[in-house]
Parts: sequence; C-alpha cells; structure tokens
Amino acid sequence: SQKIEQNSEALNIQEGKTATLTCNYTNYSPAYLQWYRQDPGRGPVFLLLIRENEKEKRKERLKVTFDTTLKQSLFHITASQPADSATYLCALDDMRFGAGTRLTVKP
Amino acid sequence: GAVVSQHPSRVICKSGTSVKIECRSLDFQATTMFWYRQFPKQSLMLMATSNEGSKATYEQGVEKDKFLINHASLTLSTLTVTSAHPEDSSFYICSARVDRRDYGYTFGSGTRLTVV
Repeated sequence: SQKIEQNSEALNIQEGKTATLTCNYTNYSPAYLQWYRQDPGRGPVFLLLIRENEKEKRKERLKVTFDTTLKQSLFHITASQPADSATYLCALDDMRFGAGTRLTVKP
Repeated sequence: GAVVSQHPSRVICKSGTSVKIECRSLDFQATTMFWYRQFPKQSLMLMATSNEGSKATYEQGVEKDKFLINHASLTLSTLTVTSAHPEDSSFYICSARVDRRDYGYTFGSGTRLTVV
C-alpha cells in the first residue's frame, strides 16, 4: 500500500530565513500532490497543488517542487514570518495525508 | 467562495449515545466529501469517502456500522457516531473539493467530540 511521509516532525527557524519541508511517498504515482496549513483546533487550509507534469509552482512566498523520480515534494516558505508558524501537511491525490511538520518561526 | 460549514463545533455526549455531525457546502455542489478523524498531535486519518446518492466507502479498520455516513444531497453529508464510547473522543473533520483546476480541498472547521 502507498505510504506518505513527512520527514521532520518539527522545524524551528529564524524569522526571515527560508523554511524547507519535505514530503516523500512510496508505492504510488499520484496525478498531483497538495500542501495544506493547519492551525491548532482548526481544519486544514489549502495552499498549493502541483501536478505530476509540473516541476515547480509558486504562490507569493510559497514554492513547491515535485520530483516524480525521487517521489518527493519540497515545500518552501521564503522570508518566513512568525505568522507562518503552523503545521504543514502534504496530501496525495487520494486525499491521504502525511503526518505533518510543525513549523515554528522565531522572531 | 468554497466554504464548508461543519456543525457542531464542539459536542459532549454520554457514553452509549449517538452524535450526528453535519457538513454543508455553502456555495458549491460537492459530489464527494471526505471524513477524517484526528487525535491530538497526530495527522488526519481518512475514515471514509462519502458520495452523493450512494453508499460511503470506508477505510480499512473503520467500522461502518459505528460511523454512519449519509450523503443525501449535493450540499450535505452527515457522520453519525453511534453508541459512542470514550475512545471515540476525537476531532472529526470533513472536506470537499471545488471542481476548479488546481484547486485543492476545502475543509470544515472540525467537530471536537468528547464522550464521557
């Protein structure tokens, strides 16, 4: 069965730096991959979707890459701010989620 | 746009009773909705896929007789936790997709269920 993994449970960075989160999957070939943000006690909020034929996608300070050979997606937040502190989740096209990475941006 | 309204946001019930959670797509039609549960500091666990007008598809290990899902219209899906027990206490969330290219899924705000 397929498996989706987010390697880091938690990531702490300094304000202004770039945060890079990793999502790996196995035994599956998704047509697309998604990234969501979740704040405590709230439902996830959609951020970006990247398709299998796309290498990179950007939205404001967010950038997502998708390497179907490595079966990996990277999620970058540039010029990070304390308000970016949250849990970030990746999901395959079958709506199964990784465990999430809790990002903390320190002022 | 693309709002999913989920109610109630919090519910406390006695062990052995049933609780119904509603999810409504307010400004779009949702032929498919997904139901998740989430334990503290853990990720979303997919419970079932709810399809309008047909039976839900449950994930392995999820008791369909305990977690009743009904998707009677294109804007409403319900999850009923029957004969709830303390171990059913969790955060339940629904999601639906807007049929728009490169648009992900919209989630409800979640229901915190506490069974006492």
